[in-house]
Amino acid sequence: GNSVTQMEGPVTLSEEAFLTINCTYTATGYPSLFWYVQYPGEGLQLLLKATKADDKGSNKGFEATYRKETTSFHLEKGSVQVSDSAVYFCALSDKGFQKLVFGTGTRLLVSP
Amino acid sequence: GAVVSQHPSRVICKSGTSVKIECRSLDFQATTMFWYRQFPKQSLMLMATSNEGSKATYEQGVEKDKFLINHASLTLSTLTVTSAHPEDSSFYICSARDNRGELFFGEGSRLTVL
Repeated sequence: GNSVTQMEGPVTLSEEAFLTINCTYTATGYPSLFWYVQYPGEGLQLLLKATKADDKGSNKGFEATYRKETTSFHLEKGSVQVSDSAVYFCALSDKGFQKLVFGTGTRLLVSP
Repeated sequence: GAVVSQHPSRVICKSGTSVKIECRSLDFQATTMFWYRQFPKQSLMLMATSNEGSKATYEQGVEKDKFLINHASLTLSTLTVTSAHPEDSSFYICSARDNRGELFFGEGSRLTVL
């Protein structure tokens, strides 16, 4: 079945550091891939998505590229801010967006 | 963006009682809502898909008599945990899908059963 594996956290960085959170997936067919972010006390929010191979999703300085050959969708940001501290979830869905399969989430802590 | 609200955000109950959690789409109509359960340090696990006006579709291994889902209107779905036990303590999250297919998530409800 479909599954998502993402790196365990917490990831602790200083402000302006480079961020990478790894995500790999296992799926039949060609799923859509997502990154969701959960800020403290809030619900999950869609951060970015990619629907086909080699697509790059981007938002708020975050980027992730759909790599079919490595079945990966790593999240990157060139310079993190304290306000980026949150839990980040990688997820996939089938083409109908019927169901999302989530990774375990990675907590990011950014210190000033 | 669209907002989905869950209530209550935290609830503590005694073993054997039932607890109802509401999920509302505040500014859009949602024919489909989803209920997830999240254990500490684990991913969100889909429990059921709630369709307005029809019975919910439960994932394998989820007891439908234990977790009652009602989607009586286009803006409200409820999850009732019946005869709750300590092992039901968890973080329950709902999401609602708008007419463009985009998903919006509630803030989650933390249930603690004593």
